[in-house]
Amino acid sequence: NAGVTQTPKFRILKIGQSMTLQCTQDMNHNYMYWYRQDPGMGLKLIYYSVGAGITDKGEVPNGYNVSRSTTEDFPLRLELAAPSQTSVYFCASSWLLAGDGDTQYFGPGTRLTVL
Amino acid sequence: RKEVEQDPGPFNVPEGATVAFNCTYSNSASQSFFWYRQDCRKEPKLLMSVYSSGNEDGRFTAQLNRASQYISLLIRDSKLSDSATYLCVVNTGDDKIIFGKGTRLHILP
Repeated sequence: NAGVTQTPKFRILKIGQSMTLQCTQDMNHNYMYWYRQDPGMGLKLIYYSVGAGITDKGEVPNGYNVSRSTTEDFPLRLELAAPSQTSVYFCASSWLLAGDGDTQYFGPGTRLTVL
Repeated sequence: RKEVEQDPGPFNVPEGATVAFNCTYSNSASQSFFWYRQDCRKEPKLLMSVYSSGNEDGRFTAQLNRASQYISLLIRDSKLSDSATYLCVVNTGDDKIIFGKGTRLHILP
C-alpha cells in the first residue's frame, strides 16, 4: 500500500493564480481531511469528507474548495491564491472519524508559497 | 484558556535521560486524546492513543488526568532518534479535532 499520496510536493504560485492539490489514498478509508500547518503552529482543519460525495467545512475553509467524487481522491482547490495561503498542506485519511479512537494517516505534505 | 495548549520547548535532554511533557485541554467534554510525532519537514505520525487507564508502549507512557484536564507523555531512556516535535491531539466533542502546536524535543549526545 502506498498509503496517502500528495502531489505536488512543492509549488510556488503568484497572487491570484489557482491550483489544485491532489490527494489519493489506497486504504479504502471513508474519512479524508485537509489540514494546513503554518510555521510553529498546530495543524488547522480546512475541509473533511465522510465519504464519496460528502464534504464539510473545518476550522479554516475560506479560500478553498474540495470535492470527493471517489473514495480514493480528495483534491483541494485554491482559487485566487493569496500570501496568507503560504503554508504546508497535509492530507489525511482514517477508517472512522479521527478522534473516535482511530488513527489518521497523513500524506507527505505539499509546501506552497504564494508570492 | 486555549483549547489545546502545549509548552513549545525546546526540551534539550541528554541521551538516556527521562523526559516528560504535558498538554492541557479546555473542554471537559473532550473524549479522545492522542500523541503524534512529527519529524522536521515531515508528516505527523501517530505515536500512541491515550486511554483513561493510561497507555504504555515500550519506553513511552501516556497518561490522562481528567480532573486537571491534561494528558502527559513520558519518554524513558531517551534516544537520539526521539528528537522530534510531539503533537497533542484532542477530540473536543462534536467531532472537533484540535492539534496542539507541539513540543520540540532535542536529545543531546
